[in-house]
Amino acid sequence: AQSVTQLDSQVPVFEEAPVELRCNYSSSVSVYLFWYVQYPNQGLQLLLKYLSGSTLVKGINGFEAEFNKSQTSFHLRKPSVHISDTAEYFCAVSSSGSARQLTFGSGTQLTVLP
Amino acid sequence: NAGVTQTPKFRILKIGQSMTLQCTQDMNHNYMYWYRQDPGMGLKLIYYSVGAGITDKGEVPNGYNVSRSTTEDFPLRLELAAPSQTSVYFCASITGTLNYGYTFGSGTRLTVV
Repeated sequence: AQSVTQLDSQVPVFEEAPVELRCNYSSSVSVYLFWYVQYPNQGLQLLLKYLSGSTLVKGINGFEAEFNKSQTSFHLRKPSVHISDTAEYFCAVSSSGSARQLTFGSGTQLTVLP
Repeated sequence: NAGVTQTPKFRILKIGQSMTLQCTQDMNHNYMYWYRQDPGMGLKLIYYSVGAGITDKGEVPNGYNVSRSTTEDFPLRLELAAPSQTSVYFCASITGTLNYGYTFGSGTRLTVV
């Protein structure tokens, strides 16, 4: 079984400040990791993914995440946020050998303040 | 390319009524999924399908049924609606790999009163 824990349900941050959204996962097999963003009243949009290779992955809108196998983490970072980054962010994991099912964390609401 | 299309966008049901949430994709994706999203709970998998004629239960299947008669369509059926089924429902699809992540529909907001 696999699971995802997003450690912060809400993260307020001022515009142009850096931000880190934390994600830890548990799985008994190799994993694929994802971050999705959901803007109000919309579906989910893929931000970035880790499938293999380099542990530092870059995504859209200036976001990046680092896969840390020893700490079973996949934290999302952005060096300078904008008001338009206000949204809910979901971390998700899928294990190799599954029917490509994604298990999602409970989400982190990022609010960027002027 | 329409992607994943869900209908309706909003619906209010009375307790005990039934309805079908429609999901159609035009990308020839083999894998399709239904999730429900409740506040503070993330997304929970209801049912999934790895191809036409093949479906399986996810984490929270009780009260729901699905069918997959074609590659394009994956409807979700609610029988005897209950207030606990008030939620936002998302349909998603992928090819056979996770290389491009899931493509999600825009969701159906269902309220059972």
